[in-house]
Amino acid sequence: DSGVTQTPKHLITATGQRVTLRCSPRSGDLSVYWYQQSLDQGLQFLIQYYNGEERAKGNILERFSAQQFPDLHSELNLSSLELGDSALYFCASSGTGRNTEAFFGQGTRLTVV
Amino acid sequence: AQSVTQLDSHVSVSEGTPVLLRCNYSSSYSPSLFWYVQHPNKGLQLLLKYTSAATLVKGINGFEAEFKKSETSFHLTKPSAHMSDAAEYFCVVSVKTSYDKVIFGPGTSLSVIP
Repeated sequence: DSGVTQTPKHLITATGQRVTLRCSPRSGDLSVYWYQQSLDQGLQFLIQYYNGEERAKGNILERFSAQQFPDLHSELNLSSLELGDSALYFCASSGTGRNTEAFFGQGTRLTVV
Repeated sequence: AQSVTQLDSHVSVSEGTPVLLRCNYSSSYSPSLFWYVQHPNKGLQLLLKYTSAATLVKGINGFEAEFKKSETSFHLTKPSAHMSDAAEYFCVVSVKTSYDKVIFGPGTSLSVIP
């Protein structure tokens, strides 16, 4: 158990809908990262938050947004969903010490039908 | 800027033969380096990490990696492949500036042939 919790584990929704994925980082970790993993594009970095502030942005679509709350949990919002958004979405967290690795949740598998 | 290159997108070895997965990095800062493994339909698991204490790092399941600063490399090796090693492997660079930044390589898919 990595200590990072993602909910829900599975999500099936229709095109055009909006969903929210939730991530609770390890206790004390200030950084939260979101990744999308699909068969055709591999593991893609989406966005990083550090202590509530956005710090880095990757290949995140404008239809997607995220935030990190004061209690450090994070939510990834996906709207106007398309079939191509079907993927595994991972959240990871890391601490502030040197040489600290990222700990990954088990992912949320999103299927858009 | 930081980047990670995994030179092979796919590696295939026979069971019982050595494994070599290559990783090169670029970093303006003194990096921390990691290897993660992802088995099919599973999350990512840390294999090993370079902490600057020793250049040869031992990880789980018999894997090890050697940090070579002059070559900016952090290749992953295992003396003898097992069928259960078939998975996706990611080399990762982490740097600490005003915040922690984690950069993933594109991944190498390892196949093990019986």
